[in-house]
Formats: sequence, structure tokens, C-alpha cells
Amino acid sequence: EAGVTQFPSHSVIEKGQTVTLRCDPISGHDNLYWYRRVMGKEIKFLLHFVKESKQDESGMPNNRFLAERTGGTYSTLKVQPAELEDSGVYFCASSQDPSGAPPYEQYFGPGTRLTVT
Amino acid sequence: QKEVEQNSGPLSVPEGAIASLNCTYSDRGSQSFFWYRQYSGKSPELIMFIYSNGDKEDGRFTAQLNKASQYVSLLIRDSQPSDSATYLCAVNQAGTALIFGKGTTLSVSS
Repeated sequence: EAGVTQFPSHSVIEKGQTVTLRCDPISGHDNLYWYRRVMGKEIKFLLHFVKESKQDESGMPNNRFLAERTGGTYSTLKVQPAELEDSGVYFCASSQDPSGAPPYEQYFGPGTRLTVT
Repeated sequence: QKEVEQNSGPLSVPEGAIASLNCTYSDRGSQSFFWYRQYSGKSPELIMFIYSNGDKEDGRFTAQLNKASQYVSLLIRDSQPSDSATYLCAVNQAGTALIFGKGTTLSVSS
């Protein structure tokens, strides 16, 4: 079974440019999460999709970030315009339906390292 | 503010010893508790999860949970140099976002 995949693995852009990150979850996983790790900090939640709906976007830093999950399959995270503080590693994770018993484990993709110069 | 606290380390143990990693969490509503291993430049890899008080063993790994004390630990027996990595503690409620600690760096010397 293929794991969570992310594209690109690295992206270097200039301040003010636009970048779009893509995540393909594990097949059959309705839940898709975006996280970010800024250097020296812990991994922090950005948002959560259940199928194509945004379940929780409380972690999105500001309106320069736009996430979509059309058709409930892959997801994109667009940063427009990018700022220096957006640099970090963006992880995507997926999980199955949590309506049953715990543990509700999430499986992570390899991440996209974004550098804004 | 929901928080997960871990000692940053580094924790250094000789090969073959037991490594003990600890984590405390602030949200009493947390239901599931996870340990992820992260090698430098790689993604977090799920190695253990626990959701009931007590111990859970899987090979050389044992996770321990004490909800009354809001404390989770991970024991690694017979530590190997390949266990050298950053270990991330994470907690969540049903299907919600994981809250991570900053991680503990483990170094196993041969």
C-alpha cells in the first residue's frame, strides 16, 4: 500500500511569489491534515479535511494560505504571496474514519521543505 | 493552550542499554497518545500508540500511559545505534489535530 506522498520535496521561492504544495493521502483515508514545522519549533497543525470539507482550519496562520481538497482525494496548499516567515517543512498526514474506537493514528508524508528568500 | 512537554535532550545511552523518554500533556481530554520517530531530514514515523492506562509492549518498545498524572513514556530496550533519532510525543482527541512536543533527541553510542 502506498503511503502519503507530497510534491515537491523542496521549493525555493522569492518573497512575494506563489507556491503550491500537493499531498496525496493513503488511499481510502477520508481525513487529511496539514502541519508545518518552523526551524526550532514543534510541528504545528494547520488544517484538517474530512473528504472535501474543511473540518478545522484553526491553525492556518493568515489568509495568504489557501487549502483545497477537490473531490476528496488529493489536497493542495497554496501560499500567496509568500513571506520569509513561511519557510519551514510542510507535512501532510492522513487517517481513516475516526468515528470508531481510538487510537486515530495519523500517517505522515515526507514533507515539502519551503524556503522563502 | 494545549501543550505537550518533552525534554529536548540530547539523551545519550550506550548500545544495549534502556532509553527512557518522557512526555507530559496539559489537555485532560486527550484520548490517544503517540510516539513518532524522526530521523534528520525525514518525516515522522509512527512507532507506538497507546490509549489505555498502563503499559503496551511492541518488540523492544514499551509505551506507558498514566492519565491521572497526564504522563506518557517510551522505553526502548537493548538500544541500538540505529535508534538514534528525535522522538516526538503527540496527543489528540478523536480524529482531531495532533499536538506535538518539540521532541527528544536520542543518541545511542556503540
